[in-house]
Amino acid sequence: DIQMTQSPSSLSASVGDRVTITCRASQSISSYLNWYQQRPGQAPNLLIYGASSLQGGAPSRVSGSGSGTDFTLTISSLQPEDFATYYCQQTYSFPPTFGPGTKVDI
Amino acid sequence: QVQLVQSGAEVKKPGSSVKVSCKASGGTFSRNDINWVRQAPGQGLEWMGGLVPILGTANYAQKFQGRISITADESTSTAYMELTSLRSADTAVYYCARAVGPTISLDNWGQGTLVTVSS
Repeated sequence: DIQMTQSPSSLSASVGDRVTITCRASQSISSYLNWYQQRPGQAPNLLIYGASSLQGGAPSRVSGSGSGTDFTLTISSLQPEDFATYYCQQTYSFPPTFGPGTKVDI
Repeated sequence: QVQLVQSGAEVKKPGSSVKVSCKASGGTFSRNDINWVRQAPGQGLEWMGGLVPILGTANYAQKFQGRISITADESTSTAYMELTSLRSADTAVYYCARAVGPTISLDNWGQGTLVTVSS
């Protein structure tokens, strides 16, 4: 199975900050990388698919980049509703695997 | 837009089975790729398996092979995930989600079903 790692595991930030989360795959996954946001007590919500495509309804301050093994999720100006846990997921190879998550809090 | 509504919370004894349902509304159910993902308390997300009803064949993560069965009833637009030989480590919130596109991203999720395994 392809192993996914994320850094940092958690971070503290303020409203208006620029936040970057990194996801790394144990082998090349091309652009088969998705990002999800999960708020406490809620189901995950798709933000980015295909490494850099913004899901409909996701805010434009969110962006994704990368290919191969290294990927980033950037929130350009953190808003109160962005405090959540973020997961990357690879779908290049079976089975799909998730990263361990990055918790963004105040 | 597909909406997925899951069955309610369950409490099960070790060694028993649980069957969680996921009813879809909107879209063409039989062509949806319905996946199941679980999340243990305070932990991350774990993919379990998936099924496209019109294709009829489910795929499962190796970890759950032999204990999991994912099925669908097209007449009621409902997918099911059954997990047998439950142990305390299976205590988790179980989510169904629709996978779409070439990147198989999960774009619609059910609300989650808490399954508690306890003697």
